[in-house]
Amino acid sequence: DAGVTQSPTHLIKTRGQQVTLRCSPISGHKSVSWYQQVLGQGPQFIFQYYEKEERGRGNFPDRFSARQFPNYSSELNVNALLLGDSALYLCASSILAGGPVEQYFGPGTRLTVT
Amino acid sequence: AQSVTQPDIHITVSEGASLELRCNYSYGATPYLFWYVQSPGQGLQLLLKYFSGDTLVQGIKGFEAEFKRSQSSFNLRKPSVHWSDAAEYFCAAMEGGFKTIFGAGTRLFVKA
Repeated sequence: DAGVTQSPTHLIKTRGQQVTLRCSPISGHKSVSWYQQVLGQGPQFIFQYYEKEERGRGNFPDRFSARQFPNYSSELNVNALLLGDSALYLCASSILAGGPVEQYFGPGTRLTVT
Repeated sequence: AQSVTQPDIHITVSEGASLELRCNYSYGATPYLFWYVQSPGQGLQLLLKYFSGDTLVQGIKGFEAEFKRSQSSFNLRKPSVHWSDAAEYFCAAMEGGFKTIFGAGTRLFVKA
């Protein structure tokens, strides 16, 4: 079975631009979470979506938004990019959104903002 | 505030030696606890998890972890380290089932 997939693998953007990152969960998983991992730090929670609804949001500005589609795939959008948005963006999927669940992570999208 | 602390930024061990990576959490109630490993430029791989029950949990690649409620700790151990274990290790905690908080990570170096 395919794991969590993310696209693109890498991308380079300029300050002020907008970016869209994509994630496809494991088949049968209905929950997708997004994390930002700045170099040298642990991942920071951005969003969780379950059944197309936002279930949780981390401490990120409104420039960050996301959505989940009927097939449970998800997009993360970041507007007005700043240099500090340069990071590895990780997507994780799980069967449910609540209770003791395992999250399975994708390989990430490396975003560089110049 | 909820937090996960990994006191050691990096650790160096000799191949074949034992390993213990420390993790402490600060939560109102016992959260669900995880250890992940990340190789350079890669995503996270789950090593093991603790939800409830037996406080000593076994994971993949020969790793184990022990949950100690009195110390709010969830330390990762391996009896004999292999060179391929060199990576970044993250302890994480989840409460409520949607928000996972990660520690800052411990970089493991293995010397021959």
